[in-house]
Amino acid sequence: NAGVTQTPKFRVLKTGQSMTLLCAQDMNHEYMYWYRQDPGMGLRLIHYSVGEGTTAKGEVPDGYNVSRLKKQNFLLGLESAAPSQTSVYFCASSPGLAGAKNIQYFGAGTRLSVL
Amino acid sequence: EDQVTQSPEALRLQEGESSSLNCSYTVSGLRGLFWYRQDPGKGPEFLFTLYSAGEEKEKERLKATLTKKESFLHITAPKPEDSATYLCAVRDTGFQKLVFGTGTRLLVSP
Repeated sequence: NAGVTQTPKFRVLKTGQSMTLLCAQDMNHEYMYWYRQDPGMGLRLIHYSVGEGTTAKGEVPDGYNVSRLKKQNFLLGLESAAPSQTSVYFCASSPGLAGAKNIQYFGAGTRLSVL
Repeated sequence: EDQVTQSPEALRLQEGESSSLNCSYTVSGLRGLFWYRQDPGKGPEFLFTLYSAGEEKEKERLKATLTKKESFLHITAPKPEDSATYLCAVRDTGFQKLVFGTGTRLLVSP
């Protein structure tokens, strides 16, 4: 059971380039999330999805887009990368919201540098 | 606005030296407080979830407790393998997201 898998693990971009981060989960979870983690800031929610075909904005959505065409996949896109988007990106999933279903399970992260 | 503050930022212990990590929170209605462990270069790993004041949970050398304003993660007789960053997060009744603290970096020396 792989859990939550993120691709790629590392990436270096130039300012203005675009890229897509892929998150795949094999736990049949309804909810999926994208976070960024910066030193001294803690994990901050970018976008999330409550089910296939749905997406919603989180705390810091500007400059990012997401899609959830299949239940098991959640894509995070950067259309025109900026140095401020240099960060570690984590994907997470959870079965739901009630009680123990609210536990979020995280991937290993994607380390992105924008030069 | 929901807020989570963790202290201390960093803690250095000798093997076997017990201590506690603090997580203070402000939410309008708590729907869960979560503790995660994060090793360098890895994603957060779930440890505990607590839902009501007075609740306690244990796992090996770790014990999490909850009051109406804060949570403690007690580490009893820690070992070097307990070295990690410990993250605290809360979920509010009105939101579908977790609000994370900035974490406590724990280093346990042999």
